[in-house]
Amino acid sequence: AQKVTQAQTEISVVEKEDVTLDCVYETRDTTYYLFWYKQPPSGELVFLIRRNSFDEQNEISGRYSWNFQKSTSSFNFTITASQVVDSAVYFCALSEGETSGSRLTFGEGTQLTVNP
Amino acid sequence: NAGVTQTPKFRILKIGQSMTLQCTQDMNHNYMYWYRQDPGMGLKLIYYSVGAGITDKGEVPNGYNVSRSTTEDFPLRLELAAPSQTSVYFCASSYETGGPEGETQYFGPGTRLLVL
Repeated sequence: AQKVTQAQTEISVVEKEDVTLDCVYETRDTTYYLFWYKQPPSGELVFLIRRNSFDEQNEISGRYSWNFQKSTSSFNFTITASQVVDSAVYFCALSEGETSGSRLTFGEGTQLTVNP
Repeated sequence: NAGVTQTPKFRILKIGQSMTLQCTQDMNHNYMYWYRQDPGMGLKLIYYSVGAGITDKGEVPNGYNVSRSTTEDFPLRLELAAPSQTSVYFCASSYETGGPEGETQYFGPGTRLLVL
């Protein structure tokens, strides 16, 4: 069975600090997909990134970056120079199999609070 | 495109009542999903559908039913509401081609359900 662990329940930082959100996953499949979603206080789920198991390249998008390491089964998310608007719950998710959308398993989320 | 829409936004039910949560997507996505999110937790898959007329159970299907008569609509039915079904319900959709790239699930705004 697949499993996603986000060990950090809550993180609090001061604006402009860098912050890394950890995600560790378990799967028996060789083909799988990893996702990060953001859930701001308004409650909707916002897609941030998708990564398949064959692509271990790190990715940077503005202040966001992701570090995927198959050797440690981790897919960590870093926000550089955090801003108050980054305050949200962030979810890491895993999907197994040939199609990424069949069944998503979510971690329990990390509540990030960025203080001014 | 409106994306994924859900109605109602909020509902209070008495124990034993029934209701249907509506979900519609206008992106011509073939896959649709229902998740529930309990307070402070990640999302758990209730049911999903890979196309009209085809549905399958997810991780927590007990107490729920679904149907998929059209590509656009995927209603979730609660037959005998119980306090344990108090949660936020999210509908999602994706377009799966079966290829190696995988696809992203896009979520509706959620329905908050309180069973008293």
